[in-house]
Amino acid sequence: DAKTTQPTSMDCAEGRAANLPCNHSTISGNEYVYWYRQIHSQGPQYIIHGLKNNETNEMASLIITEDRKSSTLILPHATLRDTAVYYCIVSGAGYSSASKIIFGSGTRLSIRP
Amino acid sequence: SAVISQKPSRDICQRGTSLTIQCQVDSQVTMMFWYRQQPGQSLTLIATANQGSEATYESGFVIDKFPISRPNLTFSTLTVSNMSPEDSSIYLCSVALGGETQYFGPGTRLLVL
Repeated sequence: DAKTTQPTSMDCAEGRAANLPCNHSTISGNEYVYWYRQIHSQGPQYIIHGLKNNETNEMASLIITEDRKSSTLILPHATLRDTAVYYCIVSGAGYSSASKIIFGSGTRLSIRP
Repeated sequence: SAVISQKPSRDICQRGTSLTIQCQVDSQVTMMFWYRQQPGQSLTLIATANQGSEATYESGFVIDKFPISRPNLTFSTLTVSNMSPEDSSIYLCSVALGGETQYFGPGTRLLVL
């Protein structure tokens, strides 16, 4: 079973920040928080990941709470092309079976004009 | 990141037949993964394929139904055997880079009649 809980759907106005929450209360010390998204009919796209510090890249920011039991993905200026299903995943790292990804149901994000 | 291609991109097959899906990566990778995404559903991990060893299957998936080959560090195949309409899905391969992040192929869309 997936180790994360996400809202089924969200919507956001174009140009505004989209904040997608994720709960992962059973995360263990060596597990990372990953975010992927899947635009319709395409393979999942890696967005960002982190262990305990907040992370930022050209696509998004990842805010992880101090107790690591939840996180938020922030798309700073949402566009229509950000409409997709967003998956929050916890997974180990390294070349072992712990690095396999188990997908939950994700959040369907709709960006409205 | 990695460039991943899959062949075929889509196919329509008759029940009782088999289809072999190819996954090619532009760099050498240790771990490759195969997923299935049934219509309207999230991704489900089928198996982990490491070069030089037998694939490791997840619960509910067996080698006789989904044989996997991993002849080298840039290539893998998944065969869907004795197909039925319930096998109609998108099949995706992914690779783990740097021990932390997975990148996905574009998927193979299979319809079984």
